Amino acid sequence: DGGITQSPKYLFRKEGQNVTLSCEQNLNHDAMYWYRQDPGQGLRLIYYSQIVNDFQKGDIAEGYSVSREKKESFPLTVTSAQKNPTAFYLCASSIEGHLDEQFFGPGTRLTVL
Amino acid sequence: GESVGLHLPTLSVQEGDNSIINCAYSNSASDYFIWYKQESGKGPQFIIDIRSNMDKRQGQRVTVLLNKTVKHLSLQIAATQPGDSAVYFCAENLNSGYALNFGKGTSLLVTP
Repeated sequence: DGGITQSPKYLFRKEGQNVTLSCEQNLNHDAMYWYRQDPGQGLRLIYYSQIVNDFQKGDIAEGYSVSREKKESFPLTVTSAQKNPTAFYLCASSIEGHLDEQFFGPGTRLTVL
Repeated sequence: GESVGLHLPTLSVQEGDNSIINCAYSNSASDYFIWYKQESGKGPQFIIDIRSNMDKRQGQRVTVLLNKTVKHLSLQIAATQPGDSAVYFCAENLNSGYALNFGKGTSLLVTP
Protein backbone atom coordinates (compact mmCIF):
# COMPACT_ATOMS: atom_id res chain seq x y z
CA ASP A 1 0.00 0.00 0.00
CA GLY A 2 1.25 3.46 -0.84
CA GLY A 3 1.10 6.09 1.82
CA ILE A 4 2.78 8.37 4.27
CA THR A 5 3.70 7.22 7.74
CA GLN A 6 4.77 9.02 10.87
CA SER A 7 6.29 7.60 13.99
CA PRO A 8 5.87 7.49 16.85
CA LYS A 9 2.18 8.30 17.32
CA TYR A 10 2.79 9.68 20.82
CA LEU A 11 6.06 11.12 22.08
CA PHE A 12 7.03 12.47 25.46
CA ARG A 13 10.06 14.57 26.05
CA LYS A 14 11.67 16.29 28.97
CA GLU A 15 12.42 19.97 28.74
CA GLY A 16 15.82 20.67 27.25
CA GLN A 17 15.94 17.50 25.15
CA ASN A 18 16.00 17.34 21.39
CA VAL A 19 13.64 14.87 19.74
CA THR A 20 13.29 13.66 16.15
CA LEU A 21 9.98 12.85 14.49
CA SER A 22 9.97 10.45 11.59
CA CYS A 23 8.13 10.89 8.29
CA GLU A 24 8.34 8.37 5.45
CA GLN A 25 6.44 8.19 2.16
CA ASN A 26 6.41 5.59 -0.60
CA LEU A 27 4.31 7.65 -3.00
CA ASN A 28 7.33 8.77 -5.01
CA HIS A 29 6.43 12.38 -4.20
CA ASP A 30 9.04 15.08 -4.66
CA ALA A 31 7.69 17.59 -2.14
CA MET A 32 7.33 17.05 1.60
CA TYR A 33 6.10 19.30 4.40
CA TRP A 34 5.94 19.61 8.16
CA TYR A 35 3.05 21.37 9.90
CA ARG A 36 2.28 22.06 13.51
CA GLN A 37 -1.27 22.05 14.86
CA ASP A 38 -2.29 23.44 18.24
CA PRO A 39 -5.68 22.70 19.84
CA GLY A 40 -8.53 24.39 18.03
CA GLN A 41 -6.17 25.86 15.46
CA GLY A 42 -5.33 25.39 11.84
CA LEU A 43 -2.07 24.02 10.52
CA ARG A 44 1.05 26.16 10.46
CA LEU A 45 3.96 25.39 8.18
CA ILE A 46 7.32 24.63 9.81
CA TYR A 47 9.51 23.49 6.89
CA TYR A 48 9.06 22.17 3.40
CA SER A 49 11.22 20.46 0.84
CA GLN A 50 10.67 20.47 -2.90
CA ILE A 51 13.44 18.06 -3.79
CA VAL A 52 16.12 15.95 -2.14
CA ASN A 53 18.89 17.91 -0.38
CA ASP A 54 16.86 21.09 -0.45
CA PHE A 55 14.43 22.59 2.07
CA GLN A 56 12.99 25.97 3.03
CA LYS A 57 11.74 27.51 6.24
CA GLY A 58 8.04 27.94 6.72
CA ASP A 59 6.23 30.40 8.93
CA ILE A 60 7.37 28.97 12.28
CA ALA A 61 10.79 27.36 11.66
CA GLU A 62 12.51 28.70 14.79
CA GLY A 63 13.51 25.88 17.14
CA TYR A 64 13.13 23.19 14.47
CA SER A 65 15.48 21.56 11.99
CA VAL A 66 15.00 19.13 9.08
CA SER A 67 16.99 17.09 6.60
CA ARG A 68 16.12 15.60 3.22
CA GLU A 69 18.81 13.11 2.37
CA LYS A 70 16.41 10.68 0.71
CA LYS A 71 13.30 11.29 -1.36
CA GLU A 72 11.26 9.05 0.91
CA SER A 73 12.23 10.60 4.23
CA PHE A 74 11.87 14.02 5.83
CA PRO A 75 12.63 13.85 9.57
CA LEU A 76 11.89 16.80 11.84
CA THR A 77 13.98 17.58 14.92
CA VAL A 78 12.40 19.62 17.67
CA THR A 79 15.26 21.27 19.50
CA SER A 80 15.49 22.65 23.01
CA ALA A 81 15.33 26.12 21.44
CA GLN A 82 11.64 25.57 20.65
CA LYS A 83 9.95 27.26 23.61
CA ASN A 84 6.53 25.67 23.32
CA PRO A 85 6.93 22.33 21.54
CA THR A 86 3.83 20.54 22.84
CA ALA A 87 1.62 20.11 19.77
CA PHE A 88 0.33 17.76 17.10
CA TYR A 89 2.83 17.46 14.24
CA LEU A 90 1.70 16.56 10.75
CA CYS A 91 3.82 15.54 7.80
CA ALA A 92 2.56 15.76 4.23
CA SER A 93 3.78 15.09 0.72
CA SER A 94 2.73 16.07 -2.77
CA ILE A 95 3.77 15.13 -6.29
CA GLU A 96 5.54 18.37 -7.03
CA GLY A 97 4.16 21.19 -4.95
CA HIS A 98 2.20 23.92 -6.55
CA LEU A 99 -1.37 23.04 -7.55
CA ASP A 100 -1.03 19.59 -6.04
CA GLU A 101 -3.04 17.91 -3.35
CA GLN A 102 -1.03 17.27 -0.20
CA PHE A 103 -1.38 13.85 1.39
CA PHE A 104 -1.09 13.82 5.17
CA GLY A 105 0.30 11.29 7.58
CA PRO A 106 -1.50 10.28 10.79
CA GLY A 107 0.45 12.74 12.93
CA THR A 108 2.67 12.61 16.02
CA ARG A 109 1.48 14.11 19.27
CA LEU A 110 4.46 15.52 21.18
CA THR A 111 4.15 16.35 24.85
CA VAL A 112 6.88 18.09 26.80
CA LEU A 113 6.90 17.11 30.47
CA GLY B 1 0.27 38.78 6.13
CA GLU B 2 -2.82 37.73 4.23
CA SER B 3 -4.59 34.68 5.52
CA VAL B 4 -7.46 32.31 5.06
CA GLY B 5 -10.26 32.50 7.57
CA LEU B 6 -13.59 30.88 8.32
CA HIS B 7 -16.90 32.55 9.10
CA LEU B 8 -18.17 30.04 11.69
CA PRO B 9 -16.15 28.02 14.14
CA THR B 10 -18.94 25.43 14.72
CA LEU B 11 -21.85 24.18 12.69
CA SER B 12 -24.55 21.80 13.90
CA VAL B 13 -26.85 20.12 11.37
CA GLN B 14 -29.37 17.32 11.44
CA GLU B 15 -28.68 14.07 9.68
CA GLY B 16 -29.97 14.21 6.14
CA ASP B 17 -29.78 17.99 5.85
CA ASN B 18 -27.35 19.79 3.58
CA SER B 19 -24.34 21.53 5.15
CA ILE B 20 -22.58 24.63 3.95
CA ILE B 21 -19.17 25.60 5.32
CA ASN B 22 -17.77 28.96 4.33
CA CYS B 23 -14.28 30.30 4.01
CA ALA B 24 -12.96 33.76 3.20
CA TYR B 25 -9.54 34.36 1.74
CA SER B 26 -7.79 37.65 1.31
CA ASN B 27 -4.95 36.95 -1.12
CA SER B 28 -6.06 37.56 -4.68
CA ALA B 29 -2.91 35.79 -5.90
CA SER B 30 -4.13 32.44 -4.61
CA ASP B 31 -4.88 30.10 -7.48
CA TYR B 32 -5.56 26.75 -5.87
CA PHE B 33 -7.87 25.85 -3.01
CA ILE B 34 -8.44 22.64 -1.10
CA TRP B 35 -10.93 21.42 1.47
CA TYR B 36 -9.74 18.92 4.06
CA LYS B 37 -11.63 16.92 6.66
CA GLN B 38 -9.92 16.10 9.95
CA GLU B 39 -11.25 13.66 12.50
CA SER B 40 -10.04 13.87 16.07
CA GLY B 41 -6.44 12.73 16.49
CA LYS B 42 -5.93 12.02 12.81
CA GLY B 43 -4.30 13.71 9.86
CA PRO B 44 -6.39 15.77 7.42
CA GLN B 45 -8.04 13.93 4.54
CA PHE B 46 -8.49 15.49 1.13
CA ILE B 47 -12.10 16.18 0.18
CA ILE B 48 -12.06 18.29 -2.94
CA ASP B 49 -10.00 20.95 -4.65
CA ILE B 50 -10.59 23.73 -7.14
CA ARG B 51 -8.38 25.92 -9.28
CA SER B 52 -8.94 29.60 -9.74
CA ASN B 53 -9.99 29.20 -13.36
CA MET B 54 -13.13 27.41 -12.16
CA ASP B 55 -16.06 28.57 -10.02
CA LYS B 56 -17.63 25.22 -9.19
CA ARG B 57 -16.52 21.64 -8.83
CA GLN B 58 -18.51 18.63 -7.74
CA GLY B 59 -17.52 15.41 -6.10
CA GLN B 60 -19.43 12.65 -4.43
CA ARG B 61 -21.96 14.44 -2.16
CA VAL B 62 -19.69 17.50 -2.04
CA THR B 63 -19.53 20.68 -4.06
CA VAL B 64 -17.01 23.48 -3.81
CA LEU B 65 -17.90 26.96 -4.97
CA LEU B 66 -15.35 29.68 -5.60
CA ASN B 67 -16.29 33.33 -5.87
CA LYS B 68 -13.15 35.26 -6.76
CA THR B 69 -14.97 38.58 -6.84
CA VAL B 70 -15.56 38.50 -3.10
CA LYS B 71 -12.76 36.04 -2.30
CA HIS B 72 -15.08 33.43 -0.89
CA LEU B 73 -14.96 29.65 -0.90
CA SER B 74 -17.66 27.28 0.29
CA LEU B 75 -18.06 23.56 0.77
CA GLN B 76 -21.50 22.05 0.40
CA ILE B 77 -22.18 18.58 1.73
CA ALA B 78 -25.39 16.96 0.58
CA ALA B 79 -27.44 14.66 2.82
CA THR B 80 -25.06 15.05 5.76
CA GLN B 81 -24.33 11.84 7.65
CA PRO B 82 -22.99 11.20 11.17
CA GLY B 83 -19.69 10.15 9.61
CA ASP B 84 -19.31 13.67 8.26
CA SER B 85 -18.81 15.00 11.78
CA ALA B 86 -15.29 16.42 11.84
CA VAL B 87 -13.34 19.65 11.54
CA TYR B 88 -13.19 21.04 8.02
CA PHE B 89 -10.33 23.20 6.83
CA CYS B 90 -10.00 25.27 3.73
CA ALA B 91 -6.50 25.95 2.43
CA GLU B 92 -5.09 28.13 -0.29
CA ASN B 93 -1.99 27.81 -2.38
CA LEU B 94 -0.42 31.06 -3.40
CA ASN B 95 0.47 31.50 -7.01
CA SER B 96 3.90 29.88 -7.61
CA GLY B 97 4.10 28.92 -3.95
CA TYR B 98 4.61 25.44 -2.64
CA ALA B 99 2.92 25.40 0.73
CA LEU B 100 -0.70 25.60 1.74
CA ASN B 101 -2.06 28.35 3.96
CA PHE B 102 -4.73 26.86 6.22
CA GLY B 103 -7.72 28.45 7.88
CA LYS B 104 -8.55 27.68 11.50
CA GLY B 105 -11.28 25.18 10.71
CA THR B 106 -15.00 24.70 11.23
CA SER B 107 -16.29 21.95 13.45
CA LEU B 108 -19.26 20.16 11.88
CA LEU B 109 -21.53 18.21 14.23
CA VAL B 110 -24.20 16.01 12.71
CA THR B 111 -27.05 15.14 15.04
CA PRO B 112 -29.51 12.26 14.49
